[in-house]
Amino acid sequence: GAVVSQHPSRVICKSGTSVKIECRSLDFQATTMFWYRQFPKQSLMLMATSNEGSKATYEQGVEKDKFLINHASLTLSTLTVTSAHPEDSSFYICSARERAGSQNTQYFGPGTRLTVL
Amino acid sequence: RKEVEQDPGPFNVPEGATVAFNCTYSNSASQSFFWYRQDCRKEPKLLMSVYSSGNEDGRFTAQLNRASQYISLLIRDSKLSDSATYLCVVNIPGNQFYFGTGTSLTVIP
Repeated sequence: GAVVSQHPSRVICKSGTSVKIECRSLDFQATTMFWYRQFPKQSLMLMATSNEGSKATYEQGVEKDKFLINHASLTLSTLTVTSAHPEDSSFYICSARERAGSQNTQYFGPGTRLTVL
Repeated sequence: RKEVEQDPGPFNVPEGATVAFNCTYSNSASQSFFWYRQDCRKEPKLLMSVYSSGNEDGRFTAQLNRASQYISLLIRDSKLSDSATYLCVVNIPGNQFYFGTGTSLTVIP
């Protein structure tokens, strides 16, 4: 299947700092990428949908000024957690959609585990 | 009402058993259906797409019932390595992917 990479895989930072996470589709062009957050033992929660060349669409309750998303190219989307706080500690996962025939298939990056001290 | 609903389980089955999961979806405009597998502290990985006619991949069989708006996953001859959370995912064209909360499976020796 298609490959999506995510970097960094793990980050520990102090409260108040900003953290940037990159998501890349390695062998296909992704016009749409998704950013999810997952707390321990909970389901994936969609944060925002990122379309190449346009502003991201944020889900209700997700602050767009805190979680900055940039989809600069067909293979790269970034999520910046600004002024991170301990409650932002979570597993952040990106995914990219590949269109193949009549099927839309979503492939996930390996995730970034963020710990804010 | 949630877009996708799954029984969270947990399902604890002995090795070699057959286990089935169901998932219901609420939007009749849904067009693409998938089962993903997520291991603890890892990202979800595509297990299989679900086609209208049903499809099989080794020990795994997926089926779609559009009339009743549910999809199912059947695992035969369960292995210890099948222990994971199985996520039902539904896509509406031009829209996001909707996830179930996942069904936890533990295969016991």
